[in-house]
Amino acid sequence: ETGVTQTPRHLVMGMTNKKSLKCEQHLGHNAMYWYKQSAKKPLELMFVYNFKEQTENNSVPSRFSPECPNSSHLFLHLHTLQPEDSALYLCASSLTGTSGLYEQYFGPGTRLTVT
Amino acid sequence: AQTVTQSQPEMSVQEAETVTLSCTYDTSESDYYLFWYKQPPSRQMILVIRQEAYKQQNATENRFSVNFQKAAKSFSLKISDSQLGDAAMYFCAYRSARSGTASKLTFGTGTRLQVTL
Repeated sequence: ETGVTQTPRHLVMGMTNKKSLKCEQHLGHNAMYWYKQSAKKPLELMFVYNFKEQTENNSVPSRFSPECPNSSHLFLHLHTLQPEDSALYLCASSLTGTSGLYEQYFGPGTRLTVT
Repeated sequence: AQTVTQSQPEMSVQEAETVTLSCTYDTSESDYYLFWYKQPPSRQMILVIRQEAYKQQNATENRFSVNFQKAAKSFSLKISDSQLGDAAMYFCAYRSARSGTASKLTFGTGTRLQVTL
């Protein structure tokens, strides 16, 4: 395991439901990320948090709402999703700074199916 | 904006043989980092190898090595003595070295590697 955990691993939800994805990192990192992985497409960066502050939102629809209460925890709140939102959602964490490799460590992902 | 291209959707290699996965990228920057990530069927993405653009020497990690051609913007991954456990999706990724980019990675579409007996 890489020290980044995600729950749940699988989630099936209707378009009117509200659910949340959780990510936790045990690596002492200060940045956390949400990615969306769809078939035959590159991983899409959704949100970036650096020291609990959101530093990037890649034009993600408002039906996805991130929350980062501290540097170790990251949530993705979901509501009124569409079937095209079905995908694997990956969480990652890293150190950040003014220079350096700062490689990202990924969680196992949550497989989301919207019915 | 940077782009990463992996032109081989699928590759196959026999056990113990060598395989090379291709990656090209487009950037106007001179300082950046390149990565290869592996995603086995269990789905957890694992870093395989990394390369700093300012280093001329190609990175190696055990059976994994890269051929980094900065002028050609090419970053291929060579897997030697392939093992069944190497079967996975492999993603090439780019990250700018500029400060303030919070480690934003740009990924390619991936290459699925099959390892046969």
